[in-house]
Amino acid sequence: DQQVKQNSPSLSVQEGRISILNCDYTNSMFDYFLWYKKYPAEGPTFLISISSIKDKNEDGRFTVFLNKSAKHLSLHIVPSQPGDSAVYFCAARTHYGGSQGNLIFGKGTKLSVKP
Amino acid sequence: DAGITQSPRHKVTETGTPVTLRCHQTENHRYMYWYRQDPGHGLRLIHYSYGVKDTDKGEVSDGYSVSRSKTEDFLLTLESATSSQTSVYFCAISIQGVAEAFFGQGTRLTVV
Repeated sequence: DQQVKQNSPSLSVQEGRISILNCDYTNSMFDYFLWYKKYPAEGPTFLISISSIKDKNEDGRFTVFLNKSAKHLSLHIVPSQPGDSAVYFCAARTHYGGSQGNLIFGKGTKLSVKP
Repeated sequence: DAGITQSPRHKVTETGTPVTLRCHQTENHRYMYWYRQDPGHGLRLIHYSYGVKDTDKGEVSDGYSVSRSKTEDFLLTLESATSSQTSVYFCAISIQGVAEAFFGQGTRLTVV
């Protein structure tokens, strides 16, 4: 059973508008949530994260919102740029005691930003 | 750049042959991971390591083994490659106390 779900395989947005990527999770023990961006033929690159004790984290054009009661997070990109076109992965960290924990990824959402 | 090098970057192999993929890091980080990426599945954890000779299984470990005899190298071995192991393999490292992992460029493996 998928613990991290990205239900939209793709999203198309006009340049300059807001992109909203969504992610749902089932495990209330996750302590961190992360977003990665991936271009073709490259490795995923870390974008932004949020601790489970926060509800918002902002970094430039990127903001992540966490709604723990709904087990839902979203990534907002404002304004969207053509260079943002990529696959975005949502990830969550399992963390037990003093261990480092592992990341569990969603299936990804392909964002296309049209000029 | 987290100083991660994966080799080879591309490989085509025949069914039933053994294959070893290498991940090398230059920063002496303790935690290393192997993931595979497949269409419709995202990134799935195969094996991970939390130190020299300390490894454990991930979500999709069947058919794979790993070894870590030095801090800087984490090897992934397909003992007898199958077509279902055709995939893009990513190595990652993480830093103690930091949630995010940093990924290598990937190895595209095709089993024919």
